[in-house]
Amino acid sequence: QSALTQPRSVSGSPGQSVTISCTGTSSDVGDYNYVSWYQHHPGKAPKLMIYDVSKRPSGVPDRFSGSKSGNTASLTISGLQAEDEADYYCCSYAGTYTLLFGGGTKLTVL
Amino acid sequence: EVQLVESGGGLVQPGGSLRLSCAASGFTFSSYWMSWVRQAPGKGLEWVANINQDGSEKYYVNSVKGRFTISRDNAKNSLYLQMNSLRVEDTAVYYCARAVGMVYAVGFDYWGQGTLVTVSS
Repeated sequence: QSALTQPRSVSGSPGQSVTISCTGTSSDVGDYNYVSWYQHHPGKAPKLMIYDVSKRPSGVPDRFSGSKSGNTASLTISGLQAEDEADYYCCSYAGTYTLLFGGGTKLTVL
Repeated sequence: EVQLVESGGGLVQPGGSLRLSCAASGFTFSSYWMSWVRQAPGKGLEWVANINQDGSEKYYVNSVKGRFTISRDNAKNSLYLQMNSLRVEDTAVYYCARAVGMVYAVGFDYWGQGTLVTVSS
């Protein structure tokens, strides 16, 4: 199974919105509503930001939102803040008890 | 507070073995699927293995099947990863993670800080 496809980098200015895409296939993203998103600051533990495509864990700001259309899921961050600068990874259930991550996207806040 | 603390990483030669441990606290360990996820240097995250609540079901990424074994001891609130026949490409930070989902793991809601495994001669 190949990794899900994410853009290598995205950027935005404080206060703006950015969207990170995550493209899979009809066997993973397209077949299950089990896409999750993780924020990862290097050297720290990854943090769950979105699960089940669009649900936010308690404590995650509502500036973070998730959606899915066909084989592509998306993470949108609105009202960008400096502390949002990090690597972001999508992950999808891929059937037969396996999971696939995307290659990761580096978000730069200009 | 949920805490996951990995240990056991280190330097090992190709073909060698290593056993990682993850000590869990702050939640009912026996009620959750648990997982190992790794990140090779300069690369993205990769799911490695899952184990269900009582240890009767185990699943692996193809690249480690037959070499790695995930296990758990619910009495000790601990998760393990036995890694045999290690390859240079297994070099990575290995994270212990609590899985989201009761019937099967569909994501990860808590992660440890990771332990570094380096496979090199």
